[in-house]
Amino acid sequence: AQKITQTQPGMFVQEKEAVTLDCTYDTSDQSYGLFWYKQPSSGEMIFLIYQGSYDEQNATEGRYSLNFQKARKSANLVISASQLGDSAMYFCAMREGPFGDYKLSFGAGTTVTVRA
Amino acid sequence: DGGITQSPKYLFRKEGQNVTLSCEQNLNHDAMYWYRQDPGQGLRLIYYSQIVNDFQKGDIAEGYSVSREKKESFPLTVTSAQKNPTAFYLCASSMGDRVDEQYFGPGTRLTVT
Repeated sequence: AQKITQTQPGMFVQEKEAVTLDCTYDTSDQSYGLFWYKQPSSGEMIFLIYQGSYDEQNATEGRYSLNFQKARKSANLVISASQLGDSAMYFCAMREGPFGDYKLSFGAGTTVTVRA
Repeated sequence: DGGITQSPKYLFRKEGQNVTLSCEQNLNHDAMYWYRQDPGQGLRLIYYSQIVNDFQKGDIAEGYSVSREKKESFPLTVTSAQKNPTAFYLCASSMGDRVDEQYFGPGTRLTVT
């Protein structure tokens, strides 16, 4: 079964607008971590934001925020004030189990294209 | 500059040949990983290593081998047993702290014909 589901293969957003990328996850663990990565056309993966399952507040990093709804098992990424440089593929990932279990499971990704 | 280097960026091989992809990090991270990415898809874990001289299979280890003789280096060998080796290969490392985000190298695009 898929552990991470990203249902939006591609999205278009106007420059300076906000965009929400969906991510749902499946785990029976109580302790887990959720990550978002950005992959530009160059191919390198860039870490954006992290949310721990026990973190009470939604994570924020600059223009990135994570809308964490634990009961619904969703961890949507919100990019505010989109810029042309935000055009890339975005991946949601999950680390299950307690600290020390290093493996990540990735979703299939969402391609974001920012229009001027 | 601290980071992860992978070489070469593009690699071409004939079918039936083994090929070794390089991954070096100077971040002093204990854990290192190899992922495979096929076009339009997410990353799949091949092998990972939490400490020198130890490594574990990931989800798609068949046809691949690794070694971890030094903390800084985690080379991946794509053997002739790998049925469909053409892909983008990404190496990563992590610190092992509470967040433990993985830092990625620039990747190697392998084409086997």
